[in-house]
Amino acid sequence: EIVLTQSPGTLSLSPGERATLSCRASQIVSSNYFAWYQQKPGQAPRLLIYAASSRATGIPDRFSGTGSGTDFTLTISRLEPEDFAVYYCQHRLTFGGGTRVEIK
Amino acid sequence: QVQLQESGPGLVKPSETLSLTCTVSGGSISGSPYYWGWMRQSPGKGPEWIGNLYHTGTTYYNPSLKGRVTISVDTSRNEFSLKMNSVTAADTAVYYCAKFRFLEWVLGWGQGTLVTVSS
Repeated sequence: EIVLTQSPGTLSLSPGERATLSCRASQIVSSNYFAWYQQKPGQAPRLLIYAASSRATGIPDRFSGTGSGTDFTLTISRLEPEDFAVYYCQHRLTFGGGTRVEIK
Repeated sequence: QVQLQESGPGLVKPSETLSLTCTVSGGSISGSPYYWGWMRQSPGKGPEWIGNLYHTGTTYYNPSLKGRVTISVDTSRNEFSLKMNSVTAADTAVYYCAKFRFLEWVLGWGQGTLVTVSS
């Protein structure tokens, strides 16, 4: 069973700053089946990135995904106020524990 | 734009069966190449995949749920359903119906419904 470990648990940043979120898999996984989601309080998660680096429909280009093997990264180039949320990585419908991006 | 809406009891007693239905609007279950199914999320945890199906009835389930789950489809009503038996307090969660790209990622979610298991 693959385990996805996200770090850090919480990221405290200011609007306009760059956010770098990490996800490490317990074994090598296919990037074809790797995704990132954003979840705001009281809402369902929303697909941001699929196949490790492809943006889902309507997702702004400040969101980007990279990685392969066991290490994957979600980068938000310049944080907007609406980006403060919890982010989850996922491989083949197994999810990580999440990273909270909060306002510093 | 496909929309999904969960319905069903918000309170289930321990050892009983949890039953939820998802109504799909804005698109046909049987006319699409997508899979349909269920996710859940306990407070403070990441989402957990429960299972999904194709409109032909082919189903896939999370092995960790140990055969307690059945997902079925009614294409005439454009609905699909979840039944989970022998529930315990650990099954308390927000349950989402969802649209999937097979077993790869979740394309869309319902608004979610809180199900509490308690006597």
